[in-house]
Amino acid sequence: NAGVTQTPKFQVLKTGQSMTLQCAQDMNHEYMSWYRQDPGMGLRLIHYSVGAGITDQGEVPNGYNVSRSTTEDFPLRLLSAAPSQTSVYFCASGRREQYFGPGTRLTVT
Amino acid sequence: QQPVQSPQAVILREGEDAVINCSSSKALYSVHWYRQKHGEAPVFLMILLKGGEQKGHDKISASFNEKKQQSSLYLTASQLSYSGTYFCGTEGSGGGADGLTFGKGTHLIIQP
Repeated sequence: NAGVTQTPKFQVLKTGQSMTLQCAQDMNHEYMSWYRQDPGMGLRLIHYSVGAGITDQGEVPNGYNVSRSTTEDFPLRLLSAAPSQTSVYFCASGRREQYFGPGTRLTVT
Repeated sequence: QQPVQSPQAVILREGEDAVINCSSSKALYSVHWYRQKHGEAPVFLMILLKGGEQKGHDKISASFNEKKQQSSLYLTASQLSYSGTYFCGTEGSGGGADGLTFGKGTHLIIQP
């Protein structure tokens, strides 16, 4: 089992560009979520999903979009990147016990 | 509302005990504890559901006082491998699947 995989590991974007962060899990979890982690801020929930076709906003959803067409995949889209979105992004799978992916380090210049 | 963790940082010698506290301003259904080592993803330690049940794993245990909306993580006879940042995540009393709210973390450094 691979657990939770995220791609890419690193990404540099220019302001205004868009991109998709990929997340996949092979544990058959219904619940998946996206967090961003900034120094001194802890983990903040961006969006989450309780199953295929169902998504909802977390604490900091502005500037991000998600969809959940399958149980396995939960991509996060940045619509128009801004420097404030420079962060480390973690995808997690599972609800009571969350399994985190290795993270994507994103820099927006 | 983000739960408040204390202390922000603690330095211990190997073998000493540590307590990390997590306090919320809202009624809670559950408290989750995670540990993150530098450059790595957070790793689940334990979950406590309302009812005051205390859970433990090896020399790491935790308690949850739902009336006070507080949880504490206890690390006994700390080992070098315990170093890292500890986060508590809280789930509101509705118990619905609306996600975890994490504290800002407590940095724990264990010295030989």
